[in-house]
Amino acid sequence: AQSVTQLDSHVSVSEGTPVLLRCNYSSSYSPSLFWYVQHPNKGLQLLLKYTSAATLVKGINGFEAEFKKSETSFHLTKPSAHMSDAAEYFCVVSVLRGSNYQLIWGAGTKLIIKP
Amino acid sequence: DGGITQSPKYLFRKEGQNVTLSCEQNLNHDAMYWYRQDPGQGLRLIYYSQIVNDFQKGDIAEGYSVSREKKESFPLTVTSAQKNPTAFYLCASSIDPGSETQYFGPGTRLLVL
Repeated sequence: AQSVTQLDSHVSVSEGTPVLLRCNYSSSYSPSLFWYVQHPNKGLQLLLKYTSAATLVKGINGFEAEFKKSETSFHLTKPSAHMSDAAEYFCVVSVLRGSNYQLIWGAGTKLIIKP
Repeated sequence: DGGITQSPKYLFRKEGQNVTLSCEQNLNHDAMYWYRQDPGQGLRLIYYSQIVNDFQKGDIAEGYSVSREKKESFPLTVTSAQKNPTAFYLCASSIDPGSETQYFGPGTRLLVL
């Protein structure tokens, strides 16, 4: 069965330092993977998406993620954190059930940016 | 502007009441979804609809009902049978059921008094 594990519930970094949010997945086939971001009391915004093309995926706001099949990982990174990056981040795997896709969500990682 | 709207932003429910959460989209998407979000957990799928007049149960459908009478609208009713309704509810849509990318509304926070 497909599943997603976000390894850290909270990550705290100083403004201007690199960000690493870790995600491992379990899938019986080569999956599609996503990262979504949620700012406080807001809906979810798609950051980036991997669909078996290039293993390094660039997203919005300077984020990128690398698909590593051997490690079953899809970690999210950003070279330099900004205060506006403070939010909750969700790693998601897509599952085909019948004729439509459903999303399996990780529990989320709250990113805290220290001034 | 194209997008998904949810109303109200906050909703209060008394014990034993049914309440209905609104979700409207003007993206001309065929598929729509309802999720529940609880603190420290990922989103869980309540119901989804692939096309007008059709909907399917998700992973946690008990205590909820939906309708899909129009393409742009997918209201969710939280019934009195839902014993723990306090949560953040998110509506999403995708261009069709075969599309993996979903677009989300701003959410409705439901609180039980």
